Order: sequence, then C-alpha cells, then structure tokens
Amino acid sequence: GQQVMQIPQYQHVQEGEDFTTYCNSSTTLSNIQWYKQRPGGHPVFLIQLVKSGEVKKQKRLTFQFGEAKKNSSLHITATQTTDVGTYFCAVYNQGGKLIFGQGTELSVKP
Amino acid sequence: NAGVTQTPKFQVLKTGQSMTLQCAQDMNHEYMSWYRQDPGMGLRLIHYSVGAGITDQGEVPNGYNVSRSTTEDFPLRLLSAAPSQTSVYFCASSYSQGSYEQYFGPGTRLTVT
Repeated sequence: GQQVMQIPQYQHVQEGEDFTTYCNSSTTLSNIQWYKQRPGGHPVFLIQLVKSGEVKKQKRLTFQFGEAKKNSSLHITATQTTDVGTYFCAVYNQGGKLIFGQGTELSVKP
Repeated sequence: NAGVTQTPKFQVLKTGQSMTLQCAQDMNHEYMSWYRQDPGMGLRLIHYSVGAGITDQGEVPNGYNVSRSTTEDFPLRLLSAAPSQTSVYFCASSYSQGSYEQYFGPGTRLTVT
C-alpha cells in the first residue's frame, strides 16, 4: 500500500537555527498534507499542497511540493521555542485512506 | 462548536477486558476515522467511515470494531484488550473523503496491563 517516508525522525536545534523535514514517496502523489502536534496535544492541520512544484508560506514556515509530486518538505526559518513539536506529512492512498509519515520531532534549545 | 470530542481521556484495562472509546463531532462531517499513535510509528489508521452506515478497515484493524449509526458518532470497540493495544487513540473527522483537512480530537490514552 501507499507509504511515505519521513526524515529525520528527530531534530534538535538551537533557537534561531533553521529546520527542515522531508517526506518521500515511491509513487506520484495527488496531494500532501502537513500537520503539527505539540507535546501532549493532538495533530493540527497546517496546509495542503496539490500542484507540482508548489511553494506555500506561512510566516516562518515554507512548504514545497516536488516537481514530480513524489516528495515534499517543510522548512522553518529561525526556529523559536513555540515551534517545538512533531511534524507529520500525510497522503491519501489509492483507496482514499489518509496515511501519515512517521513524523519528525523537533526540539528547540533556548 | 465543540469540534471533535473523545471520552475517556485516560483508561487502564486488564488483559481480556473490553471497552468502547467514544468519539463525536458536531460539524456534520461525513468522514471519520480512528488512529493509534505509538512512539516512532507515527499515526496508524485503524478504521474509517465515509458516512453513516459505512465503515472500512485501515492499516491496523485487528482487535478493533467500529460502527457508524449516526453522522455524529463513531465509537471504537476493543473486543478483548491486549498489552499491544496500549497506545494513544485519536479520532478525526473531515468534511468528506479526499483532499480535506482532518480535525482531530484530544485523544484517549489507553494502558492495558
């Protein structure tokens, strides 16, 4: 079935440093979603990418969808302690099921 | 709107016991689903429903049953709890199946001893 690999599993950064997490699929994706989960909380939707090569920005967050629609990335510029949490990508497989990547846990040292 | 609500927040079961995790949403969403979250495993889909009366299996359905008698409610039943079912369970809903954002409930932390 549809699988999406997300790397890295963990990332520890100093406050002010940048952060990037990547999602890769072996098959072409129709779209990809990104979610954030704060420690002890539940996943919260961030954004959806649909078009090949699409780039969307939300303040310090930049989301990209690869030209071949097989990979995506989330980049955070100048991390802050409020960015702490786990970031997930999620894709719909051919059966219409939403499948999540393993997530990247971000910790930020002040 | 309350959004997606889940009860209980915490539960401890003994091996072999059964229980039902409750999930409800007040957004008139057609699509509802259950995920379990384990360290390093991300969120894994257990069961989902595309509308009242319709359910289907996800990635890890064994040991769980669901039903969808109303649009609002989507309970998850553990038939005979096992330690391997110790996990955090999230219910989610969206407007419809397909490219729509998922709204998650606060989760139920289940421990099976």
